Amino acid sequence: GEDVEQSLFLSVREGDSSVINCTYTDSSSTYLYWYKQEPGAGLQLLTYIFSNMDMKQDQRLTVLLNKKDKHLSLRIADTQTGDSAIYFCAEVSNSGYALNFGKGTSLLVTP
Amino acid sequence: NAGVTQTPKFQVLKTGQSMTLQCAQDMNHEYMSWYRQDPGMGLRLIHYSVGAGITDQGEVPNGYNVSRSTTEDFPLRLLSAAPSQTSVYFCAVSRTGGNTEAFFGQGTRLTVV
Repeated sequence: GEDVEQSLFLSVREGDSSVINCTYTDSSSTYLYWYKQEPGAGLQLLTYIFSNMDMKQDQRLTVLLNKKDKHLSLRIADTQTGDSAIYFCAEVSNSGYALNFGKGTSLLVTP
Repeated sequence: NAGVTQTPKFQVLKTGQSMTLQCAQDMNHEYMSWYRQDPGMGLRLIHYSVGAGITDQGEVPNGYNVSRSTTEDFPLRLLSAAPSQTSVYFCAVSRTGGNTEAFFGQGTRLTVV
């Protein structure tokens, strides 16, 4: 994950919006992903965006993609305590066979 | 439908010991990968396989061996464990590599003392 950058921590109050940012380097990555990891568990796919899209909305989640700046963001509306987890941004690796992950952003939602 | 199963969930090894981390899938997916997760480092790719009989190195392969004799199984072997290999190990499977969803096992927490 050396080339995918994320901030490490974010704290928000319940009901507020959360925005997690990511920068990536491989402009040829066809898909960009957001994975969620809850304590003691593996990663689960949260959402993804295809590289020819600027925005994708899925219920409380909004993904924005700025290909010029290689910037990806995940917005969670009406953040709940159950959203507390680590969120990983990922791009497709150069080989195309695996993923390059960022270091993960720990989201803490306080009541 | 178990998905991706990793065993064991926890393991403590002494330096120099060997062991095999198991990963089994019942999803009939071709692509399997091993990652390690360390605090502040995210997930780093160790080895991957695009199908039975085919494996390749990832970002941090040193100290680890893999083989893929069947579609279902992708074991990760530590030949001589070192404290630097203390980590949480995740196996992931996907249908056609990076352009499809990856499904992760629950992880194996390994401590080398």
